[in-house]
Amino acid sequence: EVQVVESGGDLVRPGGSLRLSCEATGFTFNGYAMTWVRQAPGKGLEWVSGISGSGDTTYYADSVKGRFTVSRDNSKNTLYLQMNSLRAEDTAFYYCAKCSSGFFYYDYFHSWGQGTLVTVSS
Amino acid sequence: QSVLTQPPSASGTPGQRVTISCSGRSSNIGSNTVNWYQHVPGTAPKLLMSSDDQRPSGVPDRFSGSKSGTSASLAISGLQSQDEAVYYCAAWDDSLNGPVFGGGTTVTVL
Repeated sequence: EVQVVESGGDLVRPGGSLRLSCEATGFTFNGYAMTWVRQAPGKGLEWVSGISGSGDTTYYADSVKGRFTVSRDNSKNTLYLQMNSLRAEDTAFYYCAKCSSGFFYYDYFHSWGQGTLVTVSS
Repeated sequence: QSVLTQPPSASGTPGQRVTISCSGRSSNIGSNTVNWYQHVPGTAPKLLMSSDDQRPSGVPDRFSGSKSGTSASLAISGLQSQDEAVYYCAAWDDSLNGPVFGGGTTVTVL
């Protein structure tokens, strides 16, 4: 059974940093792209970042470009999101999801985690 | 303001048919396939429909998807209480070089 489990969410001050993790089981991790999607309180889903199965291609929403970095360790079946220069508007549940192919381009998101909460506040 | 436009809410009585629309532009729905996600607050979002009209394994055939031009639709027939959720459409956007979501439609079973 495919499973992805996020962790690392916390309360952090504006301007601070945080690293989220997403552990994956039940599939050949390096064969699939992965993605991060967030949901701010009272808002809808917003795509954040994506990474190819090999890790050599990354994608970012304009709202996080230059501040967030997505990476993966295929030897540990784990996806990461390094978040720097955090702002109040980054407050959200962050979900990771398995993509439908190894490339990310044009993919849909097949299996999602329960999410981890990031709160940016002073 | 979401790139894809959905009505904020839809409702129906048990057994009725409900349709949710999703409007985009040539750079997203007009040139790429549409996917739909079901999200019950507090749980993991779920893929409901991929590639415009393909139901993943386990999704009841009460759910159907369609697309025409720069708009797509999700229909739920035989509405059931467990269908209460927020439904999101999504598509790759060639101009933004990433996927975009609709604002979500909350379906209520009266």
